[in-house]
Parts: sequence; structure tokens; C-alpha cells
Amino acid sequence: EVQLVESGGGIVQPGGSLRLSCAVSGFTLSSYWMHWVRQAPGKGLVWVSRMNGDGRFTTYADSVKGRFTISRDNAKNTLYLQMNSLRPDDTAVYYCARDSLPGFDSWGQGTLVTVSS
Amino acid sequence: QSVLTQPPSVSAAPGQKVTISCSGSSSNFGNYYVSWYQQLPGTAPKLLIYDNDKRPSGIPDRFSGSKSGTSATLGITGLQTGDEADYYCGTWDSSLSAAVFGGGTKLTVL
Repeated sequence: EVQLVESGGGIVQPGGSLRLSCAVSGFTLSSYWMHWVRQAPGKGLVWVSRMNGDGRFTTYADSVKGRFTISRDNAKNTLYLQMNSLRPDDTAVYYCARDSLPGFDSWGQGTLVTVSS
Repeated sequence: QSVLTQPPSVSAAPGQKVTISCSGSSSNFGNYYVSWYQQLPGTAPKLLIYDNDKRPSGIPDRFSGSKSGTSATLGITGLQTGDEADYYCGTWDSSLSAAVFGGGTKLTVL
């Protein structure tokens, strides 16, 4: 069974940092593009970043470029999102998602990041 | 606002049919497949349709998708109260070099 489990969310002050993790099981992480998607409270889905299977290719939304870094450790079956210089408008539930079929065919349950003083 | 345009809400009675539209542009729908996602209250999104009109394993054939030019449509027949959810279209945009979603459509089954 394919599973994605995010962790690392929490409350952080503006300007602070957090690292999110997405532990996967049931498939070979290195075979898939992986994405981060976020959803602010009561709002819609917003794509954040993606990385290819071997970790050599990444893309970011303009809103997070230069502040967020996506990475992966295929040996640990884990995807990461390092978030620096956090702002209140980064407050959201962050989902990791597998890119297949094509389409985001598997999603984690999400982890809540709250940026507030 | 979102790159892809969806109506904020639609409603229909149980057993009826509803369609949800999604409008894009040549830089997204013109070049890429559309996907549709269902998000039940308090849960993560779930893939309903991929490649414009294909259903993943386990998705009932009450759900259908189509695409024509720069527009796409999700259809749901035999509406059930359990279909009440937010529905999102999504694709890739070559101009933005980013995945994009519609703003979401809230389905109410009256």
C-alpha cells in the first residue's frame, strides 16, 4: 500500500525556519517526481515545489523561490522541504504528493505550518 | 486569483447529474493533460480523473472528465450526499513552469 506521511509542522515566528518531512512507503521513491502543495486555511490548493526522481531537477513557485528548498533522501524514502524566512502568508497545511499516471495520484495527510508572532 | 477558473459552487439533488467547468489557456490546457481532485471535508485531496478523462482504479464510473481546447469539465452522475466536497482541476503551465490548480468548486448535494 502506498503511504505518504508528513511531519515537521508547527508554530514558528515570522522570519523563522522549519523543515518538513514526507516519509513514503509502498513504492520506490527514486522512480517518481514528488511535489509539495499547500492549502491556506479555508483556501484552495497551491503548488509549492517539485523534484525529479534522482534529485537533480527542481522547480519552485515564485512565492517561495529563494526561501524554500526541496530535497530528498531516496535511501531513507523521505522527501523534505526546508522553509526559511517564513512569512505569515506561508501559513497552510502542507501536503506532499506523488506525481504519476500523470496526476498527483497519492497524497499525504498534511502537516500544518502556522507562522505567527 | 487562480490560473485556472472554476465556479465557486454548484448544487444538485441526490440522484441528479452535475458538471463542473475549468477554464485555462494555451500555456496550460493547450499543452498538458488535466487532472481532477476531490477533497472531502478535513481530508487530503484525492485523484479522481487523470489524462483528461481516465479514472484511477477504484474511482466509480459516475465520475467522468473531458477536455476541449482550453476548457475541461468534470461530470458526476447519480449524486450522493457523500459526494459533497471541494473539487479542483489541475495541470502544468509552461509559461509559469509551475503546476496550477483551479480555485476549487464546492459541491452541495441538496
